[in-house]
Amino acid sequence: DSGVTQTPKHLITATGQRVTLRCSPRSGDLSVYWYQQSLDQGLQFLIQYYNGEERAKGNILERFSAQQFPDLHSELNLSSLELGDSALYFCASSVGLGIFNEQFFGPGTRLTVL
Amino acid sequence: GESVGLHLPTLSVQEGDNSIINCAYSNSASDYFIWYKQESGKGPQFIIDIRSNMDKRQGQRVTVLLNKTVKHLSLQIAATQPGDSAVYFCAESNAGNMLTFGGGTRLMVKP
Repeated sequence: DSGVTQTPKHLITATGQRVTLRCSPRSGDLSVYWYQQSLDQGLQFLIQYYNGEERAKGNILERFSAQQFPDLHSELNLSSLELGDSALYFCASSVGLGIFNEQFFGPGTRLTVL
Repeated sequence: GESVGLHLPTLSVQEGDNSIINCAYSNSASDYFIWYKQESGKGPQFIIDIRSNMDKRQGQRVTVLLNKTVKHLSLQIAATQPGDSAVYFCAESNAGNMLTFGGGTRLMVKP
């Protein structure tokens, strides 16, 4: 158990819908990362927040957005869902800001878009 | 379980043998590399890292080798055990906060 929790574990929805994925980082970690793992793209970095502020952005679509709240939990919002958005979404957390801080991954949320 | 399901290259080894998993990276400016292990139904787990000013680093039963000349990274697992069965990913970073992951290799350990 990494100490990172993600809810829900599974999510099934329809095209065009909007969903919110939630992540609680390990106690004491200020940095939260979101990743997408799909069959054709592999594991891809989406976005990073540190202490409530966006700090790095990867291959995140404009239909996707995220935020980190004062209690440090984070949410990833996916809107206007398409079939291709079906994937595993992982959250990871680390103590500090930089890449040298070990990232601890949660168990993931499996999103299925029908 | 929540497996990756990709058509990944597979390495099959006998229990007790040594395993070598390879990774080619593309960015010659990458200066930090990590190996991750992902078991079925779980998120990736950090195994070992190496910075570009080193060419070898050892952990418990694992060794990472970095060859910057040919942009190649390898993970050696000594005395492979059934619990080592998983998908292994290399990841690289270029002086930023982002990790770029390789496609992964599935390791299967035969008892």
